[in-house]
Amino acid sequence: EDQVTQSPEALRLQEGESSSLNCSYTVSGLRGLFWYRQDPGKGPEFLFTLYSAGEEKEKERLKATLTKKESFLHITAPKPEDSATYLCAVQAPRAGRRALTFGSGTRLQVQP
Amino acid sequence: NAGVTQTPKFQVLKTGQSMTLQCAQDMNHEYMSWYRQDPGMGLRLIHYSVGAGITDQGEVPNGYNVSRSTTEDFPLRLLSAAPSQTSVYFCASSRGSTKSYYGYTFGSGTRLTVV
Repeated sequence: EDQVTQSPEALRLQEGESSSLNCSYTVSGLRGLFWYRQDPGKGPEFLFTLYSAGEEKEKERLKATLTKKESFLHITAPKPEDSATYLCAVQAPRAGRRALTFGSGTRLQVQP
Repeated sequence: NAGVTQTPKFQVLKTGQSMTLQCAQDMNHEYMSWYRQDPGMGLRLIHYSVGAGITDQGEVPNGYNVSRSTTEDFPLRLLSAAPSQTSVYFCASSRGSTKSYYGYTFGSGTRLTVV
């Protein structure tokens, strides 16, 4: 059974204080690992897809990396507008299904 | 530029009532799915569709029904509401079917309370 574990559950940072969020996964035949951002009362917003170990992707202050067992979302010099819940998900082949298995998320708060 | 539209945004049901959550997308996406989000449990797949006329069950399908008569619409029906179905429901869509991944576009959600 595919499993995704995110840590920490919650993280409070000061503006400009860089940190990393962790996503550990157990899946047979990883097809892709995905990061989403979710603001309160809204649906998740797609950030990145990573396909193979060693891959990195960047978007503004965010950089996602992937190893064979985990992914990190690095946040450099965060701003208050980066406050959100960050979700990690994995996709593995399942007889044609494109379903994602999601972690429970890391709730990030950036204080000015 | 609507994307994925879900209605209603909020709903309160009594146990045993039925209702339909609506989902419509205007991006001509083949793949559509329904997830529920509960505190501490992440998003869980209820049902999905890879195209008009084709649906299949996800991880937690019991108590829910879907149909896909058009590419644009993918309604979710609660047959007989139970308190355990209190949750936030998200509809999502994406291009392609099984061969490639383009990233899901999510709706803004329906917050359902069953009393």
